Amino acid sequence: SQTIHQWPATLVQPVGSPLSLECTVEGTSNPNLYWYRQAAGRGLQLLFYSVGIGQISSEVPQNLSASRPQDRQFILSSKKLLLSDSGFYLCAWSVGVLQGTEAFFGQGTRLTVV
Amino acid sequence: QKEVEQNSGPLSVPEGAIASLNCTYSDRVSQSFFWYRQYSGKSPELIMSIYSNGDKEDGRFTAQLNKASQYVSLLIRDSQPSDSATYLCAVNPSMSKIIFGKGTRLHILP
Repeated sequence: SQTIHQWPATLVQPVGSPLSLECTVEGTSNPNLYWYRQAAGRGLQLLFYSVGIGQISSEVPQNLSASRPQDRQFILSSKKLLLSDSGFYLCAWSVGVLQGTEAFFGQGTRLTVV
Repeated sequence: QKEVEQNSGPLSVPEGAIASLNCTYSDRVSQSFFWYRQYSGKSPELIMSIYSNGDKEDGRFTAQLNKASQYVSLLIRDSQPSDSATYLCAVNPSMSKIIFGKGTRLHILP
């Protein structure tokens, strides 16, 4: 069966520090991968999605970036965090190739920028 | 602009009653629709997917889709306190992208 791993679960970082969040998927090949952010009391905002290695689509221009160095690995990064980057970051995957399949989420990373 | 709209609630429903959650979307090309449940502090979990107009039932849950009206709903029968959560509607406006509404908070009154 497929599983998705996301770490760390919680993170407290000072303003201006770098960020790296990692997500890996097991049990499937060529998945679509997603990064979402959920600010306190808000909905899920799609940040990036990827349909293959090195292929990244950005939904919201900001100081975050994403990379997909391997088929089942998705990384969210920032060079300098802002207070507004605080939130619940969620990685998700869906079956690639097929259109319109549902996404499955990791456990999330709660990021607090201080 | 591609959007998914939901009433934020809270929606309060007595235990044992039917909870009705609604969602509208703006992108007519969307072909796939999903309902997720999210408990406080947890990640969303999939409840149902629906792709064709009409109703789809799974246990106590029924999803309804009307593409002409760009409307999706979720009915929860025999509501239980454990159904208290935020319900997120999601649509698939393009092959890979999945976008979410802001969610409706549901509170089941014991």
